Amino acid sequence: SQELEQSPQSLIVQEGKNLTINCTSSKTLYGLYWYKQKYGEGLIFLMMLQKGGEEKSHEKITAKLDEKKQQSSLHITASQPSHAGIYLCGADLGGSQGNLIFGKGTKLSVKP
Amino acid sequence: DTGVSQDPRHKITKRGQNVTFRCDPISEHNRLYWYRQTLGQGPEFLTYFQNEAQLEKSRLLSDRFSAERPKGSFSTLEIQRTEQGDSAMYLCASPTGSSYNEQFFGPGTRLTVL
Repeated sequence: SQELEQSPQSLIVQEGKNLTINCTSSKTLYGLYWYKQKYGEGLIFLMMLQKGGEEKSHEKITAKLDEKKQQSSLHITASQPSHAGIYLCGADLGGSQGNLIFGKGTKLSVKP
Repeated sequence: DTGVSQDPRHKITKRGQNVTFRCDPISEHNRLYWYRQTLGQGPEFLTYFQNEAQLEKSRLLSDRFSAERPKGSFSTLEIQRTEQGDSAMYLCASPTGSSYNEQFFGPGTRLTVL
């Protein structure tokens, strides 16, 4: 089974609407990382969350970490077409090699 | 631009051919990671280097795959006798931070095996 589950798998919203993407881990989180990916391109780092209850914002994107629930949410306020893409959560699950485990991603489309 | 470059960006090859990809990480970053991403999935860890030493290999890395980082700077990933199942995006990451998990990714090399 997948160690990191993202929901929803895809999302279509009207421009200007708010939306939330969730990422749930089946194991203890030592760090949670959000990335954005345009089709066929590399991953763009958005935010890193390491402490329970931590919340970070960048422009209209806010991410929170609920350590007890082993869950993170990414919230976009007043979505714009430029927000469209695939949002991936990556987690440090405490492995010795330091690599990240990723969810399958959430594909976001924003209708103008 | 994350400061990580990969070459080529796209590679189309016939089954059975060998291919080699290159990654140039952010300078002075002593770790380098390779991931593979197939359609509809998140990236999966393949292997990583600490300077020139390859410290860990995923079970995804079959004997046909080999990676090097000869001088602790750029890295190459070679796939021998390519198979259609090797078709994927190959991503390189240059990490920073005390636990090396703030990872900056290159644009990837998209491999298509016909």
